[in-house]
Amino acid sequence: KAGVTQTPRYLIKTRGQQVTLSCSPISGHRSVSWYQQTPGQGLQFLFEYFSETQRNKGNFPGRFSGRQFSNSRSEMNVSTLELGDSALYLCASSLPSGGGYEQYFGPGTRLTVT
Amino acid sequence: GDSVTQMEGPVTLSEEAFLTINCTYTATGYPSLFWYVQYPGEGLQLLLKATKADDKGSNKGFEATYRKETTSFHLEKGSVQVSDSAVYFCALSDSNTNAGKSTFGDGTTLTVKP
Repeated sequence: KAGVTQTPRYLIKTRGQQVTLSCSPISGHRSVSWYQQTPGQGLQFLFEYFSETQRNKGNFPGRFSGRQFSNSRSEMNVSTLELGDSALYLCASSLPSGGGYEQYFGPGTRLTVT
Repeated sequence: GDSVTQMEGPVTLSEEAFLTINCTYTATGYPSLFWYVQYPGEGLQLLLKATKADDKGSNKGFEATYRKETTSFHLEKGSVQVSDSAVYFCALSDSNTNAGKSTFGDGTTLTVKP
């Protein structure tokens, strides 16, 4: 089974621009979550989509948005980029596992804002 | 809310030494517990999991036991190798409240020297 894929792997953007990141989950996984990873803040949850609906949302400003398509692929968008948005953005697709969800991560998109 | 606390790193060990990375959690429901590993330049990989109290997760020589009474899920390995050098994350997922959202510890960097 193919793993979670994310495109692009690397991005360099200028402050004020917007960016769209893409994630293709493992076949059959309907839940897709997004995380931001930075050295200072660690792994922070952005949002989760399930069957094209946002099911959970973290504490990020409205500049961060996402969506999920009928084939479970997901995109996240960041508008009006700030220097502090530089981070590794990780996508994970999930399967129910006992009382929670087991997550499978993609390699991430490294976003640098200059 | 849910939270995960990991022992602070970095941890440096000699090859064949015994490894323990402590992890404690706070959760409102009955979460599943996970250990993930991240190698340089990659996303997170699931290392092992436990879905209920007293379960032991194991993989590649690593073990962790779900201790509800002490709210802990400590990671252990009897004999580490240089190839185990990575960042280790303890995490929980609680489908009762936040399906598809995992809460992560800050990560512990392990370096194994030959």
